[in-house]
Amino acid sequence: NAGVTQTPKFRVLKTGQSMTLLCAQDMNHEYMYWYRQDPGMGLRLIHYSVGEGTTAKGEVPDGYNVSRLKKQNFLLGLESAAPSQTSVYFCASGHGTGLEKLFFGSGTQLSVL
Amino acid sequence: DAKTTQPPSMDCAEGRAANLPCNHSTISGNEYVYWYRQIHSQGPQYIIHGLKNNETNEMASLIITEDRKSSTLILPHATLRDTAVYYCIVRVDHTGTASKLTFGTGTRLQVTL
Repeated sequence: NAGVTQTPKFRVLKTGQSMTLLCAQDMNHEYMYWYRQDPGMGLRLIHYSVGEGTTAKGEVPDGYNVSRLKKQNFLLGLESAAPSQTSVYFCASGHGTGLEKLFFGSGTQLSVL
Repeated sequence: DAKTTQPPSMDCAEGRAANLPCNHSTISGNEYVYWYRQIHSQGPQYIIHGLKNNETNEMASLIITEDRKSSTLILPHATLRDTAVYYCIVRVDHTGTASKLTFGTGTRLQVTL
């Protein structure tokens, strides 16, 4: 059981480039989330999904797009990367039963130069 | 959701109990207390949660005061691998809705030899 898997683990982009971060979970969870974490700060919610084909904005959605075409996958896209998007990105999934027990991936370190 | 206050850092000797406090004086009756931790460079990991009764699992114990305005996470025999940032989160049970957890800056626990 792999849990939540994020790819890639590291990436360096130039300003204006685009990329997609992939999150995959094998726990049959309905709910999936993308967070970002800046140095010395807590996690902030970017977007989330409550099921296949659905997405919703979190606390800091600007500059990001997401898609949930398959239940097990949640993609985070940066169309035109900016230095302010340099961060560590974490994906999480959960049952959505009301219990806030989320399972997190190991993170993607993204640097935008 | 109620705001939480945690000390920024704590030290604990290996083998001793680590007691991490959390103040949530504005907590309401239907809000749960959750604890997560984040070991360096990893995604957050769920530890335990509770409503009003004390809880224990294989990782830790959670002690909630009778007035529910504060709680303490106890790691009974801390090891070096318990060195991490510990987050205390208060959240209403939104059954069937997304878990939009808010992670603050937490308490950095350093376990030493």
